[in-house]
Amino acid sequence: RKEVEQDPGPFNVPEGATVAFNCTYSNSASQSFFWYRQDCRKEPKLLMSVYSSGNEDGRFTAQLNRASQYISLLIRDSKLSDSATYLCVVKTGGFKTIFGAGTRLFVKA
Amino acid sequence: SQTIHQWPATLVQPVGSPLSLECTVEGTSNPNLYWYRQAAGRGLQLLFYSVGIGQISSEVPQNLSASRPQDRQFILSSKKLLLSDSGFYLCAWGGAGGNTEAGANVLTFGAGSRLTVL
Repeated sequence: RKEVEQDPGPFNVPEGATVAFNCTYSNSASQSFFWYRQDCRKEPKLLMSVYSSGNEDGRFTAQLNRASQYISLLIRDSKLSDSATYLCVVKTGGFKTIFGAGTRLFVKA
Repeated sequence: SQTIHQWPATLVQPVGSPLSLECTVEGTSNPNLYWYRQAAGRGLQLLFYSVGIGQISSEVPQNLSASRPQDRQFILSSKKLLLSDSGFYLCAWGGAGGNTEAGANVLTFGAGSRLTVL
């Protein structure tokens, strides 16, 4: 089993749609959780951290369920510029940070 | 503010040739440093991480090596490249950032080095 697993993409949605990405992790001792965004042929960039109580940043909402070892990202009112690959990221004990394989999102006009 | 530099940005190397990729960080001291590789259409694979000068942890056995000769310098090397070494190599540093609940070690990446081995 992979340490971090994500929905297989790609997701193709129209502008204005709401889209949700899911992610599960295998290590119950994982400590920190993040969503990164990666544009084509570019480096990943931090989108948002994921807090136990859930958190929102504009159109983006992240949720964490430690009991189920599950993380989600919700994007509301999708924009063309949201098209990218979204990476679920988990920091285990020590210094290891594990990236999921990513989910590709295409937002179309 | 902190910045991270990687070079070269792109390189094409023949099988069996050596490799050296460099990464430097500015604006912070004693960062945790990481090398990741991303094969085409794949996720990021952690190769090495370092918590200090001369301290290297290897995650995947392979023909690559890493060194940290200075606090803010991280080098990825190979003596003889294989075809399977092709990929997008990303250096990252970890430091404090964001809410304390998320903890330290939010990773910030360099722009990457795209290696093609022919």
